[in-house]
Amino acid sequence: DIQMTQSPPSVSASVGDRVTITCRASQGISSWLAWYQQKPGKAPKLLIYAASSLQSGVPSRFSGSGSGTEFTLTISSLQPEDFSTYYCQQTNTFPITFGQGTRLEIK
Amino acid sequence: EVQLVQSGAEVKKPGESLKISCKCSGYSFTTYWIGWVRQMPGKGLEWMGIIYPGDSDTRYSPSFQGQVTISADKSISTAYLQWSSLKASDTAMYYCARLDQLLVMNWGQGTLVTVSS
Repeated sequence: DIQMTQSPPSVSASVGDRVTITCRASQGISSWLAWYQQKPGKAPKLLIYAASSLQSGVPSRFSGSGSGTEFTLTISSLQPEDFSTYYCQQTNTFPITFGQGTRLEIK
Repeated sequence: EVQLVQSGAEVKKPGESLKISCKCSGYSFTTYWIGWVRQMPGKGLEWMGIIYPGDSDTRYSPSFQGQVTISADKSISTAYLQWSSLKASDTAMYYCARLDQLLVMNWGQGTLVTVSS
């Protein structure tokens, strides 16, 4: 199985800050990586696919980069609605695996 | 509009059986994989398995092989997740998801399963 490791597990930031979350794969997955946002009590929402492609309707302050084994999700200027938990997911092969999540909290 | 509508919350006792459902609409049910994801209280997302309703090809994540059964009924565009003997550790929110090349394009609203004596 491909293991996905996110860091940090949690981060505190303020509105307007720039935040970067990292996801590492235990083996190369090319660009087969997605990022999801999950708010409490809600289903996750797709933000980024193919490592850097923005899902339709997602604000442009979200961006993704990376390939192979290291990937990042960047939020350029945090908005109040961005305080959530973020998960990476490899879409390269089954079994599908998620990272353990990064909780983004208000400082 | 693609919709995945899951069955309602369940409260069960250890040892009981359970089958939850995911009714899909707005797309061709037989041509996309459907998966199930577990989220235990306060924890992260875990893939349980996937099924291709077109031919019922089913694949389980190693942690869930033998623990649950995933199935689908093409005639009513519905996928299922079932347990033969629930444990307290099965208490969780369960999401169904429509996949496009292993990418989740749509999610159900979730079904909360509580197992308690």
